[in-house]
Amino acid sequence: AQKITQTQPGMFVQEKEAVTLDCTYDTSDPSYGLFWYKQPSSGEMIFLIYQGSYDQQNATEGRYSLNFQKARKSANLVISASQLGDSAMYFCAMREIPNYGQNFVFGPGTRLSVLP
Amino acid sequence: SQTIHQWPATLVQPVGSPLSLECTVEGTSNPNLYWYRQAAGRGLQLLFYSVGIGQISSEVPQNLSASRPQDRQFILSSKKLLLSDSGFYLCAWEVAGGGEQFFGPGTRLTVL
Repeated sequence: AQKITQTQPGMFVQEKEAVTLDCTYDTSDPSYGLFWYKQPSSGEMIFLIYQGSYDQQNATEGRYSLNFQKARKSANLVISASQLGDSAMYFCAMREIPNYGQNFVFGPGTRLSVLP
Repeated sequence: SQTIHQWPATLVQPVGSPLSLECTVEGTSNPNLYWYRQAAGRGLQLLFYSVGIGQISSEVPQNLSASRPQDRQFILSSKKLLLSDSGFYLCAWEVAGGGEQFFGPGTRLTVL
């Protein structure tokens, strides 16, 4: 069963505007972590932001914030003030704590294109 | 600070030839190590992970193998490459016990 769903294969956003990338997940484990990664055309996976299932507040890292809605099992990434360099693939991932290996799963990704 | 290296960056190999991709991590001890493959325009497929020297777990049946001869070295190998082995191979590490994963720059493999 698909544990991470990213329903937007591609997204466009105008430079300087905000954009939300959707991510929903499926787990019965009460302890888990949610991650977002950026993959530019160079191929390297860059860690952006982390949200723990017990965190009371939404995670923020600079222009990135995670809109965590636990009851809905969603962990959307919000990028504020988009820049041309934000054009990349974005992957949502989940780990069911405290396990490792196959319990770190990635979604299919969303390709974000920032327009000048 | 921790860094992760992969080489080679790109590789073009004929079908049936052997393969050896190397990944090394610096600045940390006893990391968990991972090999992923990514087909063009697709997500990541976990191939192998390791929690210690000589400890390898395989996630999918394939003609690839992995070894961890040293604490911070992870090697992906094949005796005979198939066309379907083409892809982008990423190595990743994490602190033992879990957390975010940090990725290397990747190796782009083309099998002809």
